Amino acid sequence: DAMVIQNPRYQVTQFGKPVTLSCSQTLNHNVMYWYQQKSSQAPKLLFHYYDKDFNNEADTPDNFQSRRPNTSFCFLDIRSPGLGDAAMYLCATSRDGDRGPQVRYFGPGTRLTVL
Amino acid sequence: SQKIEQNSEALNIQEGKTATLTCNYTNYSPAYLQWYRQDPGRGPVFLLLIRENEKEKRKERLKVTFDTTLKQSLFHITASQPADSATYLCAHSGSARQLTFGSGTQLTVLP
Repeated sequence: DAMVIQNPRYQVTQFGKPVTLSCSQTLNHNVMYWYQQKSSQAPKLLFHYYDKDFNNEADTPDNFQSRRPNTSFCFLDIRSPGLGDAAMYLCATSRDGDRGPQVRYFGPGTRLTVL
Repeated sequence: SQKIEQNSEALNIQEGKTATLTCNYTNYSPAYLQWYRQDPGRGPVFLLLIRENEKEKRKERLKVTFDTTLKQSLFHITASQPADSATYLCAHSGSARQLTFGSGTQLTVLP
């Protein structure tokens, strides 16, 4: 089945130690998103890629970076994680070019713990 | 800026009853509203989408309404089951790639 895969499902890192989360998709969608979700809060968009074009949200801290080496893969890099970065990180895809709104297809998420 | 608000409290209902969840938005009417289900520790899963010129949309036991006068969407689950227990997220989109989520309503269906 076509899907969005995130690895690892659980990641523990130390304060200030760089960490990379990965996302892959078999849907062949041209748009990939990274969301941050804290407990009982709405998913918050960090940035997205439209093909190779990177689109950063205005309030996303510089501590968060992303790479998309090809259509299928996208990475979230947190350069110096702080305690406030502990959250669920969700990768999602959509297919631009469809008429109307783009439904998001989410991966299972990576739960990040910062010690 | 656009705000989207959902029932902030958890909703508990008895099995077999109809669950009704509310999504309110401010300012302009979104072109579309989407509803997602999220289970604990999992990513959201798309359920239904309704356009601003549609009053109602149905899918099996699910029904969504859209009232642009009240700036509100209602999400109904009829004949609810314990397996319907989850958090339900409302999201509005004014354009193709814009999508803003509410914080969700946690539904518990009691057997």
